[in-house]
Amino acid sequence: NAGVTQTPKFRILKIGQSMTLQCTQDMNHNYMYWYRQDPGMGLKLIYYSVGAGITDKGEVPNGYNVSRSTTEDFPLRLELAAPSQTSVYFCASSWNRGNEQYFGPGTRLTVT
Amino acid sequence: QQPVQSPQAVILREGEDAVINCSSSKALYSVHWYRQKHGEAPVFLMILLKGGEQKGHEKISASFNEKKQQSSLYLTASQLSYSGTYFCGTATDSWGKLQFGAGTQVVVTP
Repeated sequence: NAGVTQTPKFRILKIGQSMTLQCTQDMNHNYMYWYRQDPGMGLKLIYYSVGAGITDKGEVPNGYNVSRSTTEDFPLRLELAAPSQTSVYFCASSWNRGNEQYFGPGTRLTVT
Repeated sequence: QQPVQSPQAVILREGEDAVINCSSSKALYSVHWYRQKHGEAPVFLMILLKGGEQKGHEKISASFNEKKQQSSLYLTASQLSYSGTYFCGTATDSWGKLQFGAGTQVVVTP
């Protein structure tokens, strides 16, 4: 099993550009999450999903959108990139609510 | 409001012990602990649930005081591999949406 995979690993965006961060898990987990981690800080939940077709906002959803058409994939969309979105983005999944979360390797995004 | 971790950082020699604390202003259902090495993803260590249940690695020990809304992670006889940043994540209900603390950086030296 590959676990949770994320692409790309690094990306530089100009202000106003858009992009999609990809996340795939092969563990058949129902729950998936997107977090951002700013330098020296903890993780903040952006969006989460409890299954295909069901998503909801987390703590810091502004400026982002998600979709979940399959159990495996949970892409995160940035529509109009802003410098405040410079961060490391982690995708995670868990079998059920409240269970341990498995994290992907992260995407380091810089918006200039 | 995110939980508060203390200390912010600790330096240990191999074999020494340390305690990392996590405090919340809210009543907690569960506390999760993760370790993150520089440039890597967080890795699960342990979950402590209201009522006393624990799930996690056998070599890691932790406690959860529901009344005080606090949890502590115990690093015993530290090894070089224990170095990293430790995060607690707290959940106020069984759903398990986590709020993470700012982390405690642990450096273990030979």
